[in-house]
Amino acid sequence: AQSVTQLDSQVPVFEEAPVELRCNYSSSVSVYLFWYVQYPNQGLQLLLKYLSGSTLVKGINGFEAEFNKSQTSFHLRKPSVHISDTAEYFCAVSVPGGGNKLTFGTGTQLKVEL
Amino acid sequence: EAGVVQSPRYKIIEKKQPVAFWCNPISGHNTLYWYLQNLGQGPELLIRYENEEAVDDSQLPKDRFSAERLKGVDSTLKIQPAELGDSAVYLCASSLGGSQSEQFFGPGTRLTVL
Repeated sequence: AQSVTQLDSQVPVFEEAPVELRCNYSSSVSVYLFWYVQYPNQGLQLLLKYLSGSTLVKGINGFEAEFNKSQTSFHLRKPSVHISDTAEYFCAVSVPGGGNKLTFGTGTQLKVEL
Repeated sequence: EAGVVQSPRYKIIEKKQPVAFWCNPISGHNTLYWYLQNLGQGPELLIRYENEEAVDDSQLPKDRFSAERLKGVDSTLKIQPAELGDSAVYLCASSLGGSQSEQFFGPGTRLTVL
């Protein structure tokens, strides 16, 4: 079985500062990796995904993430955050051939302050 | 293009009452998912449909939960009878199908059981 760990439940950051949201996964097989964002009272929206190939993945809204197989990590980064980035961020994994079943972490609340 | 539609958005019921949630997926999406999201947690898959067939319902508590997807389009998730611990957000998602297919999420139904 796969699992995802998001150690930071909350990350406060000032506007225009860089941010990194951490994600570590556990799996005995190769995985696909995802980051989703959830704004208040809305569904989840896909930010970016890693399926194969380049380990640096660029997504929407200026976010990027880097897959590190040796450290089993997929940290999300943004060089300069905006107030509108305030939301809950979820890291997720799925297994190729596993029916597209997503296993989510517990989420990280990003709070951008002026 | 319309996204995934869910109704109602909010539901308050007393324990032991029945409740039903409705989901209309994105047109053409063969795969439909129901997730449970407890407060402060990531979504957890309850059931996955490929067209009208439930292909993964291993996490669905079948003693009180049921789901159907007649004609392979809309879906209904039912709880009877509801318990206090069922208070959560119920998310519906849909995708074209396949292990690399992006899942699109609806806004969810927030259930409160009193």
